[in-house]
Amino acid sequence: KQEVTQIPAALSVPEGENLVLNCSFTDSAIYNLQWFRQDPGKGLTSLLLIQSSQREQTSGRLNASLDKSSGRSTLYIAASQPGDSATYLCVCSGYIPTFGRGTSLIVHP
Amino acid sequence: GAVVSQHPSRVICKSGTSVKIECRSLDFQATTMFWYRQFPKQSLMLMATSNEGSKATYEQGVEKDKFLINHASLTLSTLTVTSAHPEDSSFYICSASPLGRSDTEAFFGQGTRLTVV
Repeated sequence: KQEVTQIPAALSVPEGENLVLNCSFTDSAIYNLQWFRQDPGKGLTSLLLIQSSQREQTSGRLNASLDKSSGRSTLYIAASQPGDSATYLCVCSGYIPTFGRGTSLIVHP
Repeated sequence: GAVVSQHPSRVICKSGTSVKIECRSLDFQATTMFWYRQFPKQSLMLMATSNEGSKATYEQGVEKDKFLINHASLTLSTLTVTSAHPEDSSFYICSASPLGRSDTEAFFGQGTRLTVV
């Protein structure tokens, strides 16, 4: 059974810092890996999708990498802003999408 | 891109009543949809796998009689919380992937926040 772990569980940083959020998974037989953000009381917003054959994806200030062999993915956020404050979720999709517990990020002005 | 619509987004109900949540794939067909539940400050945990035309597969610890799932067509799955109690208050979300495309991303509904008073 797939297990997805996200580190750190929580992060509080001043505005402008570059951040790295980590995601690890136990079963490397995944089709893809997605990163989402969830704002308090809201649904999921898709950030990046990495197919199993890819190593990274970029969107604006966000960059996600995937290393299937080691069972790891990282989400890099450049020049963080207060608007980036949210919970970031990593989802590994084999047959069943499996969520990590998330990293709760607070960016202080 | 593909869209999954979940309705309602928020619902408040009285204890003892039943609540139905709909999950629709708007522009693709899905033989399988997944239902998740999120407890406060916890991850989204898989509740059940909804299979079109057959019974849902429930995860261990999920009460089948309380959380009724019906996958009536290739574009619609429903989750009914029966005889709701305050402890059923939670965030519920569904996901689906296009039929025959196991390598595509999973699309998620907007989620339903259920509050039982």
